[in-house]
Amino acid sequence: AQTVTQSQPEMSVQEAETVTLSCTYDTSESDYYLFWYKQPPSRQMILVIRQEAYKQQNATENRFSVNFQKAAKSFSLKISDSQLGDAAMYFCAYRRISGGYQKVTFGTGTKLQVIP
Amino acid sequence: EAGVAQSPRYKIIEKRQSVAFWCNPISGHATLYWYQQILGQGPKLLIQFQNNGVVDDSQLPKDRFSAERLKGVDSTLKIQPAKLEDSAVYLCASSLGIMDVAFFGQGTRLTVV
Repeated sequence: AQTVTQSQPEMSVQEAETVTLSCTYDTSESDYYLFWYKQPPSRQMILVIRQEAYKQQNATENRFSVNFQKAAKSFSLKISDSQLGDAAMYFCAYRRISGGYQKVTFGTGTKLQVIP
Repeated sequence: EAGVAQSPRYKIIEKRQSVAFWCNPISGHATLYWYQQILGQGPKLLIQFQNNGVVDDSQLPKDRFSAERLKGVDSTLKIQPAKLEDSAVYLCASSLGIMDVAFFGQGTRLTVV
């Protein structure tokens, strides 16, 4: 079974600074999706960024970028120019592509605090 | 475009009582998910529908949980009877299809006392 590990229960960053959240996963598959979701206190899970494993180029969405290391099975999220609105729980998630339907597996989350 | 709507936002019940949650997915989304998120954990898939058919309910405690999606649109999730360990946030999500990105609602926070 696939597992997703987030080893940092909590992180903090000064406003306008950069922070990196870590994620590792375990899979024997070669083709899959990886996601970062943000969950603010409102509880709504919001997709931040998605990476297809077959793409070597790291995904970027404005201030959010990933460092995808396929061989190391590592998928970290970098938030640049951190803003107060970035404070939330961040979940890393995995989904296999091949073999038809596969459910998404989430990590346990990292709580990010942004200090003014 | 309206998002995924869930109600109620909060619910407090006593153990052994029953409770129901409602979800209205984004219009046109064929796939609907119910997740359980226990405090301090990531969401866990309970059940997934494709239109009005069940795709995956392998992690649904079927002795007490049930879900339906009549007409392939709205869905309800029911717990009967509730246990203390059912206290969690219940998230509904929808996507265009099975392999598309899911959009989440704001969830229902259930407290069982």
